[in-house]
Amino acid sequence: DAGVIQSPRHEVTEMGQEVTLRCKPISGHNSLFWYRQTMMRGLELLIYFNNNVPIDDSGMPEDRFSAKMPNASFSTLKIQPSEPRDSAVYFCASSPEYSNQPQHFGDGTRLSIL
Amino acid sequence: AQSVTQLGSHVSVSEGALVLLRCNYSSSVPPYLFWYVQYPNQGLQLLLKYTSAATLVKGINGFEAEFKKSETSFHLTKPSAHMSDAAEYFCAVSGSGNTGKLIFGQGTTLQVKP
Repeated sequence: DAGVIQSPRHEVTEMGQEVTLRCKPISGHNSLFWYRQTMMRGLELLIYFNNNVPIDDSGMPEDRFSAKMPNASFSTLKIQPSEPRDSAVYFCASSPEYSNQPQHFGDGTRLSIL
Repeated sequence: AQSVTQLGSHVSVSEGALVLLRCNYSSSVPPYLFWYVQYPNQGLQLLLKYTSAATLVKGINGFEAEFKKSETSFHLTKPSAHMSDAAEYFCAVSGSGNTGKLIFGQGTTLQVKP
C-alpha cells in the first residue's frame, strides 16, 4: 500500500518567494495533519483537517501560512512570502478519524529559505 | 487536557545494554498511547501502540512498552541495544475528540555507543 506522499522532498528558495508543499494522504484516511520540525522547537502541529474541513489551525504561526484540502486525496501548505525562519522540515500525516488509530507520516519536505 | 512528558532529551547507552526511555502522560479520558521512532532524514514510524487490550505492548525491532495507569507512565524498553537503534523517539497520547489528533512529547534522542 502506498503511504503518505509528500512533494517536493527538498526545496531551496529565496526569501520572499511563495512556497507550496503538497501531500497525498493514505486512501481512506479521514484526518490529515501538517507538522513542522526544527531543532529549536521540535515537532509542532500546524493544522489538521477532518473530512477535508480544517478543525484546528491554532498552530499556524502567521498569516503567511495557509493550508487547503480541496479533496480527500490532496492537501497543500503554502507560505507566502517565505522568510529564512521558515526553514524546517515539514511533515504531513494522515490517520483514520478514530482516537485509537496511529498517524502515518510522510517522509517530509526539507525547506530552506535563503 | 492531554499532555505528554518525556524525561530526558538525550539518553546514551552502550551496545548490548538495556534501553529505557521514559514517558508520562496526562489524560482526562482513558488514553491511547503510541511510540514513534524517527531515523535521520526520515519521517516518524510507528513502533507500537497501546489501545487498552493489554498493558504490555510489543512493537517492532524488539521494543516493548508497559502501560501503568497508577503511575500514568508508558515507558519504552528494549533488553539489548543495537547500533541501529540510534534515533529519536517520540511518545504520543490521543487527543480529545475522535479526529485522530495526537499530542506528542518533545522527543528523546537515543545514542548507542560501541
